[in-house]
Amino acid sequence: SQELEQSPQSLIVQEGKNLTINCTSSKTLYGLYWYKQKYGEGLIFLMMLQKGGEEKSHEKITAKLDEKKQQSSLHITASQPSHAGIYLCGADVTGANSKLTFGKGITLSVRP
Amino acid sequence: KAGVTQTPRYLIKTRGQQVTLSCSPISGHRSVSWYQQTPGQGLQFLFEYFSETQRNKGNFPGRFSGRQFSNSRSEMNVSTLELGDSALYLCASRDARGLVAQYFGPGTRLLVL
Repeated sequence: SQELEQSPQSLIVQEGKNLTINCTSSKTLYGLYWYKQKYGEGLIFLMMLQKGGEEKSHEKITAKLDEKKQQSSLHITASQPSHAGIYLCGADVTGANSKLTFGKGITLSVRP
Repeated sequence: KAGVTQTPRYLIKTRGQQVTLSCSPISGHRSVSWYQQTPGQGLQFLFEYFSETQRNKGNFPGRFSGRQFSNSRSEMNVSTLELGDSALYLCASRDARGLVAQYFGPGTRLLVL
């Protein structure tokens, strides 16, 4: 089984709607990273979470870390077409902070 | 600061050949990690270099190797290419002081025929 499970696998939302995607780890999380990727391109760093209960926001995107559940959620408020892409969560499950394990990614489409 | 750069961006090789990919990290970043991304396996860690030394290694065969130079630039080499090596190869750099994020380059798309 995957060490990092992301859900849902894909998501289509109407522009302006809010949405939440999740990332659950089967191992202890030492750090959780959210990235966005356009197909075939590099990863764009969004946010990093390290402590249980930590919550960070940037523009319309908010990420939270639930250390007890070993889960992180990413919430987008009032989605826009520019939010479309693949959202990947990466986790440090070794404590080394250099070897990240990634989920399969969630494909988000935003309909104008 | 300029971001992570990777060259070449696209590459076509045939089975049995070898290939070298290059990565220049963000200025001041001493850690460079390499990842392979395929539709089937997703994003998988290959190895990390810090101060010219391999510090971590993923579960890839010995055909995959790398090195880092004194200016922190890194190269990755794949020998005896197989069809399954077709992938997007991404490198990421980070300032290794403290717990910080990795910043990724645009990747090198390798197609093995």
